[in-house]
Amino acid sequence: NAGVTQTPKFRVLKTGQSMTLLCAQDMNHEYMYWYRQDPGMGLRLIHYSVGEGTTAKGEVPDGYNVSRLKKQNFLLGLESAAPSQTSVYFCASSNSKNQPQHFGDGTRLSIL
Amino acid sequence: GESVGLHLPTLSVQEGDNSIINCAYSNSASDYFIWYKQESGKGPQFIIDIRSNMDKRQGQRVTVLLNKTVKHLSLQIAATQPGDSAVYFCAENIPYRGGADGLTFGKGTHLIIQP
Repeated sequence: NAGVTQTPKFRVLKTGQSMTLLCAQDMNHEYMYWYRQDPGMGLRLIHYSVGEGTTAKGEVPDGYNVSRLKKQNFLLGLESAAPSQTSVYFCASSNSKNQPQHFGDGTRLSIL
Repeated sequence: GESVGLHLPTLSVQEGDNSIINCAYSNSASDYFIWYKQESGKGPQFIIDIRSNMDKRQGQRVTVLLNKTVKHLSLQIAATQPGDSAVYFCAENIPYRGGADGLTFGKGTHLIIQP
């Protein structure tokens, strides 16, 4: 079972470059989330979506944009990468509110 | 702001012993709590969850206890095995947070199993 799949797994960018992280889930979940995880810290919510065509800001949304054009996909974009965005990015999905979120294995992003 | 925290960053236990990982939360409005296990290089893996209308829930080898009076959450792992070595995160859902349904995570406890 694939569950939540994130691509790419690793990426190195230069400051100012742009890129898109892709998240795909095959569980027909309505809710999808993007988190970032930094050393010594728990995961922090960037953006989330409660259904196809909807997105909303989380705790740390600045510098990121998202799109949910299809129910199974949730894209995270960095328009102009900054070193402070060096992190591990995790995507998750869930059936609804207050249900377990299922995570992908992360994208390790370094901004030089 | 309010956030979920962990009492100990590292916990070392003998193989076969029971482990107890603690978590303090400060938001009395939180209505849902969840424990995750994260192994190196992988995403968080769901272990067990509990809603605020409960004080105990059991799974296979794991038990979660919720004490709303002192805002405390714990994860008990019975007969700890080498495969239990990982970082454990507690997380809470704060319902008033603009409707956001993302979780607020603690910083994690690293569980080390001694042979």
